[in-house]
Amino acid sequence: AQKVTQAQTEISVVEKEDVTLDCVYETRDTTYYLFWYKQPPSGELVFLIRRNSFDEQNEISGRYSWNFQKSTSSFNFTITASQVVDSAVYFCALSDGFSGGYNKLIFGAGTRLAVHP
Amino acid sequence: DAGVTQSPTHLIKTRGQQVTLRCSPKSGHDTVSWYQQALGQGPQFIFQYYEEEERQRGNFPDRFSGHQFPNYSSELNVNALLLGDSALYLCASSSTSGTYNEQFFGPGTRLTVL
Repeated sequence: AQKVTQAQTEISVVEKEDVTLDCVYETRDTTYYLFWYKQPPSGELVFLIRRNSFDEQNEISGRYSWNFQKSTSSFNFTITASQVVDSAVYFCALSDGFSGGYNKLIFGAGTRLAVHP
Repeated sequence: DAGVTQSPTHLIKTRGQQVTLRCSPKSGHDTVSWYQQALGQGPQFIFQYYEEEERQRGNFPDRFSGHQFPNYSSELNVNALLLGDSALYLCASSSTSGTYNEQFFGPGTRLTVL
């Protein structure tokens, strides 16, 4: 069965600190996709990144970076120099590799990040 | 280009009642998925509709049913509401054309069951 674990329930940091959100996944599929979504207080899930199981290259987008390690089944998300606007709940998600729009997402429980001025 | 829209924004019902939530997918999308997000938890997959048929279903009872219309919009119906059905209901749309297709989420409908 597929499963996503986000062990950190809440993280509190002061602005400009770096913060890493952990994500560990379980799947028997050889082809799968991993995601990170941001959910601000408004409730809408905002897509941040998708990574497929064959691409273990780390990715950086501005202050955001992602570290994917198949050996440890982890897909961690780091925010550098955090800002108050980064305060939100962040979800890691997993889907199987079947394409065509049929992919259901399996979400972790989320990590609530609070960035204080 | 309008994104995914959902209505209503908020809804209050009492136990035993029935509720219908609505979703309009992003332009060009033909697949609609529904998720339930209880307070403090991650979204859980309810079901997915494509070509007006239910294609996949999560671990939800038959009280949860849906429909997709020819214009790809969708409804989620919940019968015999329980207190535990209180949650944010998220709709996501995607397209079956192309390779991997992202799911775009709407703002959700917050359902409160009293």
